Amino acid sequence: KQEVTQIPAALSVPEGENLVLNCSFTDSAIYNLQWFRQDPGKGLTSLLLIQSSQREQTSGRLNASLDKSSGRSTLYIAASQPGDSATYLCAVDNAGNNRKLIWGLGTSLAVNP
Amino acid sequence: NAGVTQTPKFQVLKTGQSMTLQCAQDMNHEYMSWYRQDPGMGLRLIHYSVGAGITDQGEVPNGYNVSRSTTEDFPLRLLSAAPSQTSVYFCASSLGQGSFGNTIYFGEGSWLTVV
Repeated sequence: KQEVTQIPAALSVPEGENLVLNCSFTDSAIYNLQWFRQDPGKGLTSLLLIQSSQREQTSGRLNASLDKSSGRSTLYIAASQPGDSATYLCAVDNAGNNRKLIWGLGTSLAVNP
Repeated sequence: NAGVTQTPKFQVLKTGQSMTLQCAQDMNHEYMSWYRQDPGMGLRLIHYSVGAGITDQGEVPNGYNVSRSTTEDFPLRLLSAAPSQTSVYFCASSLGQGSFGNTIYFGEGSWLTVV
C-alpha cells in the first residue's frame, strides 16, 4: 500500500534562505508526483507536476526533483520570501491505485522577515 | 476563466439536515473529485468521477452522495448531516489521471459545521 510522508511537519526559516522540503513514498510504481501550496483558509494550488519519466521540474524559484528508485521527491525553494509562507503538500498518482491520489500531510513553512 | 467554483463557502447545519455542496468547472475536465480535509488526517477522497455519468467511491464515501450529469458539475450531497462531517470540503478537477495525469485544480473550499 502506497504511503506518502513529508518531513519536517513544520519549518521556520529567515528570509533569504534556500530550503528543501521532502516527500517520500513507499511504492515506486507511480504515474506522477505533484507539489501543491495551500494558504490558510484557501484551496490548494498546484506548483509543479513531475511525470514518472522526468527527473525534475522548475518554475521560477521552485525546483522539484523526483527519484523513483529511492522513493523521494524534494521541493527546493531558492531565496525564500515571507510570501512563501504556506503549507506545502505532495501527492502521488499511484499506478496501482485506481486513479486515486495518495497525499502527504504537508510541511508548514514560515519564512520570517 | 473561473476554474473550479465551489458554493457555499461557509455553512452551518443541524444534525440530521441534508444539503448539497455545489462544484462547477469551466475547463472541460473529465476528472473531478471531492475531498475533505481534517487536522492531522490530511486530504481524504470522498467520491470521484472520470466523466459525465460515471462516479465511484473514494476512501470515505459513507454519508455522501454524488452525481455527474454534465461534464461541468459535480455536486456533493450530505444525506443526513452528522457532527463527524464537520470539515473543510474541496472539489478538484483535472484533464486526466494516471498515465494521462495533468495539473489538478482545486476550488477555494467549503467550511461546513454540523451542530
